[in-house]
Amino acid sequence: EILLMQSPGTLSLSPGDRATLSCRGSQSVNANYLAWYQQKPGQAPRLLISGASSRATGVPDRFSGSGSGTDFTLSISRLEPEDSAVYYCHQYGTFPLTFGGGTKVEIK
Amino acid sequence: EVQLVQSEAEVKKPGESLRISCKGSGSFSFTSSWIGWVRQLPGKGLEWMGIIYPYDSDAKYNPSFQGQVTISADRSTNTVYLQWSSLKASDTAMYYCARRAVDWQPLDYWGQGTQVTVSS
Repeated sequence: EILLMQSPGTLSLSPGDRATLSCRGSQSVNANYLAWYQQKPGQAPRLLISGASSRATGVPDRFSGSGSGTDFTLSISRLEPEDSAVYYCHQYGTFPLTFGGGTKVEIK
Repeated sequence: EVQLVQSEAEVKKPGESLRISCKGSGSFSFTSSWIGWVRQLPGKGLEWMGIIYPYDSDAKYNPSFQGQVTISADRSTNTVYLQWSSLKASDTAMYYCARRAVDWQPLDYWGQGTQVTVSS
């Protein structure tokens, strides 16, 4: 099983700041099949990024993904209050599929 | 548009059985997609439970959930099910279904979630 470790656990930033979220795998993620999701309280997760760096339909270009192998990053530039949420990475290239533990982004 | 509509919240007692559902509709081939289930314990993260291909009911499970739940599908009604034969208090959680359009694609569309509460 590929374990995904996300850091930091919580990010507290101001509007307009840049957020950098990390996701590290216990082994290489097959073909960079790495996704990022945003989950707001009381809502289902929303797909932001697939294939490590491809934005899903309708996702603002403030969100960008990068990385390969075992190290991946989600960057959110020009933070807005609506970006307050928990962000999860997810590898979908090897069964069992797995999720990281999440990073909570708080907007001051 | 792709829609996954899940059954309503359930309150059960330990030892009871339960089946919750996820019905697909909209502009996609339900039987040619994969539908997965994800658990979220109260205040915790996401856990992938398993996934099924409704066309032939090929199901793959997370070893952590193998034998604890059963995932099934009814092609005729575009519905996927998650069932328990004997619930425990530790099954109390929100359960989401989500679509994987083709092999090796992420879970892209999600249902609204079904809250399951198990309490004596």
